[in-house]
Amino acid sequence: DTEVTQTPKHLVMGMTNKKSLKCEQHMGHRAMYWYKQKAKKPPELMFVYSYEKLSINESVPSRFSPECPNSSLLNLHLHALQPEDSALYLCASSHPWGTSEGSNIQYFGAGTRLSVL
Amino acid sequence: DAKTTQPTSMDCAEGRAANLPCNHSTISGNEYVYWYRQIHSQGPQYIIHGLKNNETNEMASLIITEDRKSSTLILPHATLRDTAVYYCIVRVLRSNDYKLSFGAGTTVTVRA
Repeated sequence: DTEVTQTPKHLVMGMTNKKSLKCEQHMGHRAMYWYKQKAKKPPELMFVYSYEKLSINESVPSRFSPECPNSSLLNLHLHALQPEDSALYLCASSHPWGTSEGSNIQYFGAGTRLSVL
Repeated sequence: DAKTTQPTSMDCAEGRAANLPCNHSTISGNEYVYWYRQIHSQGPQYIIHGLKNNETNEMASLIITEDRKSSTLILPHATLRDTAVYYCIVRVLRSNDYKLSFGAGTTVTVRA
């Protein structure tokens, strides 16, 4: 099973709303990632969790708040977003770097398409 | 901080080999090259990766030049289902962890 499940698939929210994106994997991976992808652009890394600890924050605004409650789950809490935050949000998981050198293949979910009105 | 450059687009005939070039002239000695593809409205899918030796798997072959400044992804027999955006990626060190630095991607269209 190489599946990463993201919910919801689509989300529309207002600028004053609070919402959360969820990501789940059961591959035993201890590294999980959030990416943001704008239309016709490559994915851009937002956060990396390794062994349930935040290891990379790519200077993401505080209106995005990640959470890794256990090794299988990754959440992204959203608050006071702007219309320019509308994008496809991708989650990925892998074995952490350094465990199987060179074979840290990231498996991606299908994404949550977010629209901020 | 993308470290790769790729052609914007290319066409390929069904059943023929597709050769996708990538330049990564600033790559460091311990940075791996990865290739992923993204079919419309799906998440990126892993294809292959390598450090300095050529690699082959059931999907593709990866040819890395001896100086490691460029590589070529080869899809041996392209099918219509191979139509996608192909990303050449370098794994770079960031703080105390690694990240995949995506290039802009090549849109590959396979034509019947």
